Amino acid sequence: DTGVSQDPRHKITKRGQNVTFRCDPISEHNRLYWYRQTLGQGPEFLTYFQNEAQLEKSRLLSDRFSAERPKGSFSTLEIQRTEQGDSAMYLCASSLLGFRNNEQFFGPGTRLTVL
Amino acid sequence: GIQVEQSPPDLILQEGANSTLRCNFSDSVNNLQWFHQNPWGQLINLFYIPSGTKQNGRLSATTVATERYSLLYISSSQTTDSGVYFCAVNSGGSNYKLTFGKGTLLTVNP
Repeated sequence: DTGVSQDPRHKITKRGQNVTFRCDPISEHNRLYWYRQTLGQGPEFLTYFQNEAQLEKSRLLSDRFSAERPKGSFSTLEIQRTEQGDSAMYLCASSLLGFRNNEQFFGPGTRLTVL
Repeated sequence: GIQVEQSPPDLILQEGANSTLRCNFSDSVNNLQWFHQNPWGQLINLFYIPSGTKQNGRLSATTVATERYSLLYISSSQTTDSGVYFCAVNSGGSNYKLTFGKGTLLTVNP
């Protein structure tokens, strides 16, 4: 059984460029979450999907951010017109609805650096 | 929303020592998880423990839900235990998102 995977692991980009990250959840998990973690802080919730439906978005998710999960399997997170403040670790997690109150399992993260 | 406070923020130990990390939360919880973040940034699940006590090897955890705190015990610490330990909870109608504390940075010296 493979865990949550994310790609790429590291991304360096210039301010103003667009970036896209991918997350593959644990295969039978129907919920998928995105979090962002900045230096010295705990992860903060961004958004989540139940199957292909995006059910909640945090106020942290500005208009430049968009997330999709088109077939209820993998998900992508796109950031348009990146800013230096977007530099952070982007973490994906998945869970099985109803199992142990949606216990979440995390991927290795994508570390974004905006120059 | 629910508040999560972890203490201490930093902890330095010699190899072989024992430690206790604390997590206080401001409301009743549906889910409480402890994680270890390794040097590469991955969050490793340690315990799912909304109440009660669990043990896994040198690690154990206790959550007293009525008093709104959880404790993580590390015994006979090893250098590989170093890293950041996070407590995360969800509560009430927000059964989808985890709210994290700021973590405890543990350094175990040889």
